[in-house]
Amino acid sequence: GAGVSQSPRYKVAKRGQDVALRCDPISGHVSLFWYQQALGQGPEFLTYFQNEAQLDKSGLPSDRFFAERPEGSVSTLKIQRTQQEDSAVYLCASSRGAMNTEAFFGQGTRLTVV
Amino acid sequence: AQTVTQSQPEMSVQEAETVTLSCTYDTSESNYYLFWYKQPPSRQMILVIRQEAYKQQNATENRFSVNFQKAAKSFSLKISDSQLGDTAMYFCALVYGSEKLVFGKGTKLTVNP
Repeated sequence: GAGVSQSPRYKVAKRGQDVALRCDPISGHVSLFWYQQALGQGPEFLTYFQNEAQLDKSGLPSDRFFAERPEGSVSTLKIQRTQQEDSAVYLCASSRGAMNTEAFFGQGTRLTVV
Repeated sequence: AQTVTQSQPEMSVQEAETVTLSCTYDTSESNYYLFWYKQPPSRQMILVIRQEAYKQQNATENRFSVNFQKAAKSFSLKISDSQLGDTAMYFCALVYGSEKLVFGKGTKLTVNP
């Protein structure tokens, strides 16, 4: 597709359930980022891939969060044993090169944990 | 560490008028990029304008322009001839190299008819 695609757009999970959020970056984009956006806040960095290599995961809030990009294209963010504080919008962004000078964002997945 | 501060949580402007959104930042790097992103209710972040720190000339994109004051670490966005479609959250962001974007908390802009 022409842009970054994320699915699902909305996800309601019961506390304790595992969820998987998908990101399809723009074809050929080397860099892929995940951000978490709490209600009324700016996005905060979670993790960064360059091709299939996860170069920075310093923003992942706990070991319940895991991300992968096995073939250097599609990425999945997995949250295990979801908790209420995980409720947020999860944004994916990709950029053409290693330098993050123009990132294109998807529409995000709104996760609500009940 | 890099930080971005937006001190105006909400602003409003009348259609066709001009509004300026403020942003200050802090970084120890000398070569970085600054951005303004627009986020409408659809949630998708849309790049409005980009400024490279080593360029002294202020960036412009149609009705959008910035006032980049490197020494003061200030990066404001001016929207001229405001339109109803400009109503959105606006985020100022900074990036150095291949590192993550650092965002401010955002300014909610409402354009009134």
